[in-house]
Amino acid sequence: GNSVTQMEGPVTLSEEAFLTINCTYTATGYPSLFWYVQYPGEGLQLLLKATKADDKGSNKGFEATYRKETTSFHLEKGSVQVSDSAVYFCALSFFGNEKLTFGTGTRLTIIP
Amino acid sequence: NAGVTQTPKFQVLKTGQSMTLQCAQDMNHNSMYWYRQDPGMGLRLIYYSASEGTTDKGEVPNGYNVSRLNKREFSLRLESAAPSQTSVYFCASLLASYNEQFFGPGTRLTVL
Repeated sequence: GNSVTQMEGPVTLSEEAFLTINCTYTATGYPSLFWYVQYPGEGLQLLLKATKADDKGSNKGFEATYRKETTSFHLEKGSVQVSDSAVYFCALSFFGNEKLTFGTGTRLTIIP
Repeated sequence: NAGVTQTPKFQVLKTGQSMTLQCAQDMNHNSMYWYRQDPGMGLRLIYYSASEGTTDKGEVPNGYNVSRLNKREFSLRLESAAPSQTSVYFCASLLASYNEQFFGPGTRLTVL
């Protein structure tokens, strides 16, 4: 079956540090890939997505590139802020079957 | 435009009690979903509904039932709650043209 493996957390960084959260997937075929973010006390919201190999999704300074050869979709940000503290979920789905398969989530805490 | 709304926000049940979690969306989306979120396990799909009048099981349907009352509303029922159903429950709906799911704020359920 399909699965998503995320970097274990929690991750704690200082403000303005560089962020990478690793995500790899196992799937038959070519899924769409997503990063969702969950701020404290809220539901999930889409951060960015990519639908085919070599696509780069970006939003709010975050980026992730769909790498088919390594089945990866790592999340990066050049300079994190305290407001980026949240839980980040990597996920996949297939066109025509929009059920999402999620990773376990990575809790990110940014300290001033 | 409220998006996806869920009631209640919090609930405590005793083992064997029943309850219904309510979800509504005002975005005219066809597909709706129920997930549960447990520590270290990400989100897992309980049931989904691709359109009004249809429902299908997800990854963890045992102990739950759903009703797609109309296009707006999708409820989740626990007939006889068990401590293993202690979790945070999220409802979501799908913007199909963008393949993006919109999530409600969640219901935190504790079963004693």
